Amino acid sequence: QVQLVQSGAEVKNPGSSVKVSCKASGGTFSTNAISWVRQAPGQGLEWMGGITGMFGTTNYAQKFQGRLTITADGFPSTVYMELSSLRSEDSAVYYCARSLGYSYVPSPNYHDYYMDAWGTGTTVTVSS
Amino acid sequence: QTVVTQEPSFSVSPGGTVTLTCGLSSGPVSTNSYPSWFQQTPGQAPRTLIYSTNTRSSGVPDRFSGSIVGNKAALTITGAQADDESDYYCVLYMGSGIWLFGGGTKLSVL
Repeated sequence: QVQLVQSGAEVKNPGSSVKVSCKASGGTFSTNAISWVRQAPGQGLEWMGGITGMFGTTNYAQKFQGRLTITADGFPSTVYMELSSLRSEDSAVYYCARSLGYSYVPSPNYHDYYMDAWGTGTTVTVSS
Repeated sequence: QTVVTQEPSFSVSPGGTVTLTCGLSSGPVSTNSYPSWFQQTPGQAPRTLIYSTNTRSSGVPDRFSGSIVGNKAALTITGAQADDESDYYCVLYMGSGIWLFGGGTKLSVL
């Protein structure tokens, strides 16, 4: 059973960057797509972006365009989420979520897009 | 700016049935939005319940079901139990590789 283990909590100054990792424990996810979802304190879930398996194609929510970079190391399988120009509103728990298949993009003939496993979560606090 | 709408809160009696909905400010939700539903308890990561409108994720009991009702996606819980008291989120596919979550519904079982 693959588990997604994320890096530890971070405290960052406004204007700096943070890089959070998501690693498969008990297997690999070199062919699985990974999405990043965050949750500010007391708030709902927010899809930030993702990276597909195999080709490493990325998609970012418009809100994060220019500030968010998602990358992957194929072996060992680790996916990274880097968010720059941090502000206080970026304080949140950041989750990685694995798709069952190689992509999170659905189609009538492809249903393995869904997020079937979630990471342990990483708390990022942005404060001066 | 497109918004995914959910009821902020809902309550159900133990053993009762409740339907939570997920709408789209820009128009109707259809199966082409590939709605998914997640359950989250405080301090825990979300758990995937439903994907592709009505397919249950592995291990999810059949008292959770998904559908399209009118112009919205819907999550129905039949025979609600105390441990169903959670936050429920839907997510819709917007196209071009982008997903959008709703604001979530806080479900009370009382």
